[in-house]
Amino acid sequence: GAVVSQHPSWVICKSGTSVKIECRSLDFQATTMFWYRQFPKQSLMLMATSNEGSKATYEQGVEKDKFLINHASLTLSTLTVTSAHPEDSSFYICSARDQGLLANEKLFFGSGTQLSVL
Amino acid sequence: AQKVTQAQTEISVVEKEDVTLDCVYETRDTTYYLFWYKQPPSGELVFLIRRNSFDEQNEISGRYSWNFQKSTSSFNFTITASQVVDSAVYFCALGGHNAGNMLTFGGGTRLMVKP
Repeated sequence: GAVVSQHPSWVICKSGTSVKIECRSLDFQATTMFWYRQFPKQSLMLMATSNEGSKATYEQGVEKDKFLINHASLTLSTLTVTSAHPEDSSFYICSARDQGLLANEKLFFGSGTQLSVL
Repeated sequence: AQKVTQAQTEISVVEKEDVTLDCVYETRDTTYYLFWYKQPPSGELVFLIRRNSFDEQNEISGRYSWNFQKSTSSFNFTITASQVVDSAVYFCALGGHNAGNMLTFGGGTRLMVKP
């Protein structure tokens, strides 16, 4: 079955540094990828929709200058948390849609990235 | 606006008991999709089921069964003869027809199955 690879699985960084998270579709092309954030014991909240070759669409309340999204190819989207602060510590997870499938066919999720900012 | 409500935040059962996780949704879309995902302690999301709004047939998959009631906007999930390995957080999610696969998640239900 289709696989979405998310890397790294976990990262610890110092406050003020930037962290890049990769989301890669391994055996299908994904024109659209989604980035979610999950705080401990809470649900997943959509942060942004990443579209290949165009600017990402951010949800209300999500700072686009802080969470930089790049979707340069049909198989790769990256989320960069710039100048990370402890409050950015969270579980980040991406999902991708196989463009060859009908709308709302089974979505494929990455395994998530646990970010801890010291 | 879309909304998914999972009223049960935590459920604790003893192994072999049956358990039902509730999910109620709100949407203005006439065509939509409902999902259940399992999130074990390791964090990844495990796909369980997708249901189209025009298909109200209930589904059974092994010990799992789903009851879709469009009239009450509910999509409940039942685990029969629960096992310790079923312990996880379960999310119900809603996808609109025109949302391009963006999902709205419920708050999740933490299921603890005790031996």
